[in-house]
Amino acid sequence: EVQLVQSGPEVKKPGESLTISCKASGYNFPNYWIAWVRQEAGKGPEWMGIIFPGDSHTRLSPTFQGQVTMSADRSLNTAYLHWGGLKASDTANYYCARPSNVDTAIVDYWGQGTLVSVSS
Amino acid sequence: QPVLTQPPSSSASPGESARLTCTLPSDFAVEKYNIYWYQQKPGRPPRFLLFYKSDSQKGQGSGVPSRFSGSKDVSANTGVLLISGLQSEDEADYYCMIWPGNAVFGPGTKVTVL
Repeated sequence: EVQLVQSGPEVKKPGESLTISCKASGYNFPNYWIAWVRQEAGKGPEWMGIIFPGDSHTRLSPTFQGQVTMSADRSLNTAYLHWGGLKASDTANYYCARPSNVDTAIVDYWGQGTLVSVSS
Repeated sequence: QPVLTQPPSSSASPGESARLTCTLPSDFAVEKYNIYWYQQKPGRPPRFLLFYKSDSQKGQGSGVPSRFSGSKDVSANTGVLLISGLQSEDEADYYCMIWPGNAVFGPGTKVTVL
């Protein structure tokens, strides 16, 4: 059974750094893209980008370029999303997800989400 | 990045149909794109329902009932999700999405089952 289990909620101050994680199981982790999706309260999802754990190739959405970095550790079957300096506007729920290998826009499996709150 | 337009809300009684629309900006011709539809219930991640490009290019998500179907209104540059035989469990937010190089989601339509 495919599972994506994300790290727990975070409360941070502006300017602080943060890394959240997404541990995958039930499939061959290096062979499937992992997507990160942001969702602010009451709003639609926003596609942040994708990473291919097999070679760590990353494709960030233009909106998020320079704002976050994505990485993956094949030995731990875990993907990461990192901020170097958080802003209040980064407050949102963040999902990791596994797109289909046939069509990246079809996202079959989702993590439970990690709520990030940034406030002074 | 294109901005997709969805009506904020829609309501219908059980057994009726709900027709949800997703309008693309005029410089993104709906004929060229797969329109993907996702359902999201409170406190849950989105769930892939289906995609529609044409009657010969479409796909249903795993376990998604056939009463969810897609179509297009080319004259209105709009993708359409039709929910037939509405059930109480269909009460949710519905998001359309296109892929012009990366995923772009619409703002969503909240469906209420009366």
